[in-house]
Amino acid sequence: SQTIHQWPATLVQPVGSPLSLECTVEGTSNPNLYWYRQAAGRGLQLLFYSVGIGQISSEVPQNLSASRPQDRQFILSSKKLLLSDSGFYLCAWSPLPRSGSNEQYFGPGTRLTVT
Amino acid sequence: AQKVTQAQTEISVVEKEDVTLDCVYETRDTTYYLFWYKQPPSGELVFLIRRNSFDEQNEISGRYSWNFQKSTSSFNFTITASQVVDSAVYFCALSAASNYQLIWGAGTKLIIKP
Repeated sequence: SQTIHQWPATLVQPVGSPLSLECTVEGTSNPNLYWYRQAAGRGLQLLFYSVGIGQISSEVPQNLSASRPQDRQFILSSKKLLLSDSGFYLCAWSPLPRSGSNEQYFGPGTRLTVT
Repeated sequence: AQKVTQAQTEISVVEKEDVTLDCVYETRDTTYYLFWYKQPPSGELVFLIRRNSFDEQNEISGRYSWNFQKSTSSFNFTITASQVVDSAVYFCALSAASNYQLIWGAGTKLIIKP
């Protein structure tokens, strides 16, 4: 069966510090990978998605970036955090789309507080 | 344009009551998929169901049931005999063949009081 891991679970970082969140998937090959952010009490905002190694699509311009150095590894980074980067970050994977079906499976999330 | 609307921001019921969460969608695609996810207080989103546009049969899974009606572009979710453990935020989402990304509703916060 497939599992998805995210770490760290919680993170408190000062404004201006760098960020690196990691996500790995086990039990599947060539998944689509996604990074979402969820502000407190709000819905889901897609930040990045990737259909393969080195292929990253950005949905929202910001000071965040993503990389996919390996097939099942997805990293979210920032060089300098802003207060507005605080939120709950969720990584998700989906199998290759089959006729439009695109159910996504989520990791446990990382709660980031920028102080 | 594709859109998912969950008009109910928050619902509060007493345990054992039945509750229906509404989801209305918009898409011009003839082939599409609809989803429901549950987000308990722990934060992780849990996939509940996927329904494709060619299958309008209602689905029942234990206390959960889903009513898909293409005529009204709705995919409603009913919990029968609600329990405190059902308290969560529930998201409805749409995926169309023209764009494999999930389009998310804003979510409905469900509070089940003991």
